[in-house]
Amino acid sequence: EAGVAQSPRYKIIEKRQSVAFWCNPISGHATLYWYQQILGQGPKLLIQFQNNGVVDDSQLPKDRFSAERLKGVDSTLKIQPAKLEDSAVYLCASSYGGVNYEQYFGPGTRLTVT
Amino acid sequence: GENVEQHPSTLSVQEGDSAVIKCTYSDSASNYFPWYKQELGKGPQLIIDIRSNVGEKKDQRIAVTLNKTAKHFSLHITETQPEDSAVYFCAANNFNKFYFGSGTKLNVKP
Repeated sequence: EAGVAQSPRYKIIEKRQSVAFWCNPISGHATLYWYQQILGQGPKLLIQFQNNGVVDDSQLPKDRFSAERLKGVDSTLKIQPAKLEDSAVYLCASSYGGVNYEQYFGPGTRLTVT
Repeated sequence: GENVEQHPSTLSVQEGDSAVIKCTYSDSASNYFPWYKQELGKGPQLIIDIRSNVGEKKDQRIAVTLNKTAKHFSLHITETQPEDSAVYFCAANNFNKFYFGSGTKLNVKP
């Protein structure tokens, strides 16, 4: 079974530029999560989708971050404009949802904002 | 919301020794507790998990214990090997939302 795919793996941009990350979850997984992981810390949830609907985006900085999951499969996370403090690893994870809580992570995208 | 605390932040053991990492949580409604291993440059990997109706679960050299009354759970790794060196995260699931601890960097010295 293929795992969670993410691209790109690395991205370096200047502040005020925009960037987009892509995630393809495990086939059949209805729930998709985007996390931000700052160096030395645990993952922090940005947004959670159930199929193509948003379940929780309470910690998403909506003035600069946006995410979508069209057709309930792939998802993109966008930052516009980027700030220095957005430098982090952005992790995508997926699970079947419901009472099947097991969550599987992709390799992440390391973003550096200069 | 839920608050998960994890200790210690770093742990160094000799190969073959045991390692224990502890986490506490604040919300008694949390019902699922996974542990993840994260190697450098990789995403977290689920290594073991436990649900709130179980007190202990074991898988070869790793085990997890849960004390619902005290709201704490622990990861036990026996016969540690150098390849166990990584950062370990605990998490608590509360209404299908995950809250993570701050991580423990485990170093297994050969």
